[in-house]
Amino acid sequence: SQQGEEDPQALSIQEGENATMNCSYKTSINNLQWYRQNSGRGLVHLILIRSNEREKHSGRLRVTLDTSKKSSSLLITASRAADTASYFCATDLRGQNFVFGPGTRLSVLP
Amino acid sequence: DTGVSQDPRHKITKRGQNVTFRCDPISEHNRLYWYRQTLGQGPEFLTYFQNEAQLEKSRLLSDRFSAERPKGSFSTLEIQRTEQGDSAMYLCASRTTRTGGDGYTFGSGTRLTVV
Repeated sequence: SQQGEEDPQALSIQEGENATMNCSYKTSINNLQWYRQNSGRGLVHLILIRSNEREKHSGRLRVTLDTSKKSSSLLITASRAADTASYFCATDLRGQNFVFGPGTRLSVLP
Repeated sequence: DTGVSQDPRHKITKRGQNVTFRCDPISEHNRLYWYRQTLGQGPEFLTYFQNEAQLEKSRLLSDRFSAERPKGSFSTLEIQRTEQGDSAMYLCASRTTRTGGDGYTFGSGTRLTVV
């Protein structure tokens, strides 16, 4: 099983609604990151949250981290059609490489 | 352009042929990573370099795969005797650890199709 797993696998919402995606992981981490990937493209780094942080904001994005539950959530507020993409969490193991989950496919319908 | 560049963007090759991909990272980034991504899945780690040293290789990286970063700048990933199972998107990413580190900057990837 994967170190990081996103939930749900797929999510469809209407424009203007909020989208929440969750990520669970298994081992201790230094930090956790969220990435976005548009179809057929490379990944774009959205936000990094360190293990000693609980919440972080960037524009319409809000990320929380609960190290006791080994979970994180990504909230996108006031979603737009352009937010349609796959979203991945990645966990930093021992400061070496990052391990990605299978992703959440978000569809924002106009 | 200060991003991560990958070349080529697409590669179609016949089974059994060798292919080589190139990645040019952000110049001040000391770490360079290779990932492989198949449809509907997250990226899977293959290998990474710190400067010119290859520090870790995944078990996914069979003997047919080799990666180099000869001068600590660009990197190449070669696949010998390609198989249909090698068809995937090959992603390169770079980051720096000198300032406490941050996220990866990914290139747009090289999509390999083995026919």
